[in-house]
Amino acid sequence: EAQVTQNPRYLITVTGKKLTVTCSQNMNHEYMSWYRQDPGLGLRQIYYSMNVEVTDKGDVPEGYKVSRKEKRNFPLILESPSPNQTSLYFCASSYNRANEQFFGPGTRLTVL
Amino acid sequence: DAKTTQPNSMESNEEEPVHLPCNHSTISGTDYIHWYRQLPSQGPEYVIHGLTSNVNNRMASLAIAEDRKSSTLILHRATLRDAAVYYCILRDRNFGNEKLTFGTGTRLTIIP
Repeated sequence: EAQVTQNPRYLITVTGKKLTVTCSQNMNHEYMSWYRQDPGLGLRQIYYSMNVEVTDKGDVPEGYKVSRKEKRNFPLILESPSPNQTSLYFCASSYNRANEQFFGPGTRLTVL
Repeated sequence: DAKTTQPNSMESNEEEPVHLPCNHSTISGTDYIHWYRQLPSQGPEYVIHGLTSNVNNRMASLAIAEDRKSSTLILHRATLRDAAVYYCILRDRNFGNEKLTFGTGTRLTIIP
């Protein structure tokens, strides 16, 4: 089944403790992206990647890192999480810039 | 970046057509118009997209104004399962402009 998977789905952590949210797609898509969703603010793009080893900032990249060493994986790294990074995170992928995006199920992160 | 404007909320009766508007007055000639929707507690899902001509698929129709400065997503016969937040976004097919802005979308309520 074609899908985008994220892990973990739920995470509660403390300020400053490094964490990684994994994202994987099995559709051989070139484009991958991370979004965060907060009440009243809609979906905001954090980082995106157009292909392996090619990443760029979205609208809200501060406090986040990403890497794209393999085509299928696009992990989101929070080196030193803070409470303002408490949010619902979505990973998405698409074949290229014109095609539809497929979204993962979301990761709900709480930083205490 | 070209942005879109949508009403915050709309209501419609079950089994009636729904017309969801989107304004994108600064659209460029290379922007595709994409629509996504997000059902409660789920990640966004693709609905439809188009460039210049009206488009139809099994989920909906997309009507694009002749000057491309606005578009309308048409759900021909709304059901309770269509209650969701609908996002209209622009996606540039040109290399080098991959940032995507979703905004807050339109919350559609279906009245039984």
